[in-house]
Amino acid sequence: QQQVKQSPQSLIVQKGGISIINCAYENTAFDYFPWYQQFPGKGPALLIAIRPDVSEKKEGRFTISFNKSAKQFSLHIMDSQPGDSATYFCAAMGETGANNLFFGTGTRLTVIP
Amino acid sequence: NAGVMQNPRHLVRRRGQEARLRCSPMKGHSHVYWYRQLPEEGLKFMVYLQKENIIDESGMPKERFSAEFPKEGPSILRIQQVVRGDSAAYFCASSPGGSHEQYFGPGTRLTVT
Repeated sequence: QQQVKQSPQSLIVQKGGISIINCAYENTAFDYFPWYQQFPGKGPALLIAIRPDVSEKKEGRFTISFNKSAKQFSLHIMDSQPGDSATYFCAAMGETGANNLFFGTGTRLTVIP
Repeated sequence: NAGVMQNPRHLVRRRGQEARLRCSPMKGHSHVYWYRQLPEEGLKFMVYLQKENIIDESGMPKERFSAEFPKEGPSILRIQQVVRGDSAAYFCASSPGGSHEQYFGPGTRLTVT
């Protein structure tokens, strides 16, 4: 079953707008939540990550909001640019000792000029 | 500092042949992970290795797939007797010990004809 659910599947945003991608999880053992950015034909690149002991983390134009009680987290891209057009994946990892990431199904973001 | 390296980048095999995918982790990283990505889907964990040890292979198909990370040289993912359903992008990631951060290589795109 899908351990991490991601929405929307695709997103179109005007240049300068805010892109918001949402993820939800069930496993309360998860304690690390990264976001990856993937361009066509490339590998995923780690963008930003958060632990459940904080509710928000910001790095430049990228912000993760985390709601532990709702088991949800989201990525906000401020002042979206055409160069941000890519597929974004949320992921989660738990303290199982196995260290494997569970990925969402991805959101294809298109930023139009 | 070179990133995670994978080769070949593209691999074409006929049904029944063997596929060998190689991954060299980032310098200083001793943990290697293999993931598979089907078209329009997220990445699915396959196996987690440290030098000379398989730590978690819970995501590996029971037959035809094997992985190793020898004391010297790259990690190898081997797929024997490939079938059309094995066609996918295979990504390797590495991390230093004690860290959750995983850094991905560019992937090997396997096509089975």
